[in-house]
Amino acid sequence: AQSVTQLGSHVSVSEGALVLLRCNYSSSVPPYLFWYVQYPNQGLQLLLKYTSAATLVKGINGFEAEFKKSETSFHLTKPSAHMSDAAEYFCAVSYNSGGYQKVTFGTGTKLQVIP
Amino acid sequence: GAGVSQSPRYKVAKRGQDVALRCDPISGHVSLFWYQQALGQGPEFLTYFQNEAQLDKSGLPSDRFFAERPEGSVSTLKIQRTQQEDSAVYLCASSLAAGRLGNEQFFGPGTRLTVL
Repeated sequence: AQSVTQLGSHVSVSEGALVLLRCNYSSSVPPYLFWYVQYPNQGLQLLLKYTSAATLVKGINGFEAEFKKSETSFHLTKPSAHMSDAAEYFCAVSYNSGGYQKVTFGTGTKLQVIP
Repeated sequence: GAGVSQSPRYKVAKRGQDVALRCDPISGHVSLFWYQQALGQGPEFLTYFQNEAQLDKSGLPSDRFFAERPEGSVSTLKIQRTQQEDSAVYLCASSLAAGRLGNEQFFGPGTRLTVL
């Protein structure tokens, strides 16, 4: 079964500091991995995705993530946090289930940015 | 273009009432998903449609939950005899193709259901 684990339900960083949100995956086949962001009272928006091309994936809003097979990790980073980055972030893995793509989400990490 | 829309955005129901939640996917999107997001949790899969066919309903929590997509576009999630544990945000997502891994799902804003 495919799953993801997000370490830390809440992360606080100062404005301008490095953002690091952790995600580890479990998959019996090469995974397709995603990071989504959710702002209050909104749906999820795709930040970036890994589909086995480059291991370092760049997304929107200056975020990037690195796929590390040896560590089964797909951590999300941003060099310098903005106040507007405060939101909840979800890591997700997709897999083939009976001919269609099924997605399993992590439990989320709420990012607080302190001015 | 227009994204995925959901209505109503907020719904308060008394325990035992029936509710219907609507999802308008992006035009032309073959795949449609419903998720349930409890407070402080990630979205949990409920059901999947490919056009009008409901191919997977393994995530529906009980037989009180029913979903349909009769013409392959708009979908409705119905919950009968609502219970307090049904309180959650219900998210709808659509994607262009069916089986391609790595396809992005586009999410609506969700319907927040509160059962009193």
